[in-house]
Amino acid sequence: EPEVTQTPSHQVTQMGQEVILRCVPISNHLYFYWYRQILGQKVEFLVSFYNNEISEKSEIFDDQFSVERPDGSNFTLKIRSTKLEDSAMYFCASNLGGNQPQHFGDGTRLSIL
Amino acid sequence: GDSVTQMEGPVTLSEEAFLTINCTYTATGYPSLFWYVQYPGEGLQLLLKATKADDKGSNKGFEATYRKETTSFHLEKGSVQVSDSAVYFCALLKTSYDKVIFGPGTSLSVIP
Repeated sequence: EPEVTQTPSHQVTQMGQEVILRCVPISNHLYFYWYRQILGQKVEFLVSFYNNEISEKSEIFDDQFSVERPDGSNFTLKIRSTKLEDSAMYFCASNLGGNQPQHFGDGTRLSIL
Repeated sequence: GDSVTQMEGPVTLSEEAFLTINCTYTATGYPSLFWYVQYPGEGLQLLLKATKADDKGSNKGFEATYRKETTSFHLEKGSVQVSDSAVYFCALLKTSYDKVIFGPGTSLSVIP
């Protein structure tokens, strides 16, 4: 069964550094998402992306965050200047749109030191 | 705004016990409802779904019925196994916006 893949599985970065999290969504999916889960807390929506542009973003997704689909397969989340509170598990998801289930990757654990 | 509430646990059961994890939602319109499961150290896996009232989603012995009159989507399993130990998330999705809204998750531990 096709799946969403994310790399790396764990990223350790110094505060203030830029980090790029990578995702390969399911190949025929059209909508792409990023969520995060701070340890022990709820899974929170960050951003959705369709037709090469952001379709919705949460208040968490401020100017330090950006997303890109640089080619036909990858979908990336960039945090420009990381803060301690960015430490979390970041999940990528994709779906065909509408009320179709979103399929999630295994996540990237981001640790900011 | 739209939201999902579920019992937070942790829930500890003996193997072969009956499981119920309650989930209720608040949403306008007709959302689709989902249960996702997160095994230790892993990502979110779709467990089951229901897209309209009275639909029953089922998978791996788990079931949940979309009850619009009580705005509920309770997860049940007749006989749990140690391998069912995980965190279970109830969630909703509306076509009017893209994001999945998750409940807080319920941690389940099944002991032999």
